[in-house]
Amino acid sequence: ETGVTQSPTHLIKTRGQQVTLRCSSQSGHNTVSWYQQALGQGPQFIFQYYREEENGRGNFPPRFSGLQFPNYSSELNVNALELDDSALYLCASSPRGEGQAGFGSGTRLTVV
Amino acid sequence: GEDVEQSLFLSVREGDSSVINCTYTDSSSTYLYWYKQEPGAGLQLLTYIFSNMDMKQDQRLTVLLNKKDKHLSLRIADTQTGDSAIYFCAETPNQAGTALIFGKGTTLSVSS
Repeated sequence: ETGVTQSPTHLIKTRGQQVTLRCSSQSGHNTVSWYQQALGQGPQFIFQYYREEENGRGNFPPRFSGLQFPNYSSELNVNALELDDSALYLCASSPRGEGQAGFGSGTRLTVV
Repeated sequence: GEDVEQSLFLSVREGDSSVINCTYTDSSSTYLYWYKQEPGAGLQLLTYIFSNMDMKQDQRLTVLLNKKDKHLSLRIADTQTGDSAIYFCAETPNQAGTALIFGKGTTLSVSS
């Protein structure tokens, strides 16, 4: 058990809609990262938040955005959903400066 | 550039040793990781190695790092059917943050 919880576990959305995914980080971990894992692929880094500010971003368009709250929990928002956004979205938390991230079980997003 | 490559499949018999290989391109990576993913689950951190080490042993797991060739391997001794999963190699090329760059994963199949 990593202590990282994500909700919901599964979600089905229609192309063009917007979605919000949620993550509660492990106690004491102030850094949260989000990853997208398409079927048969490794996770791809979306962005990272530290102390409520974006602290690095991967190669994802601006319609992927996020928030981190004072309690270090986080949201991932995706606007104008596309079919290719269908994937497992993983949240990871870690103490600042350490890469030994604990991952949640993910949210499986299906866009139809 | 940042790229992590792994062989896609490995099949072994129960009780044998498994060796999963990985190559990476960014010599600035400070940590290298091995994660395990079981079907329908998130990622479990198995072990990691700091870039100034060449070997790390943790129970049945042995990690070998060859910095000159940018080659990382994970050896699982006495492989069990419960070890069947996808194994991901990952690096952290960004020294200011903890973003992980993953390979596509190696599917380990253990037969009894």
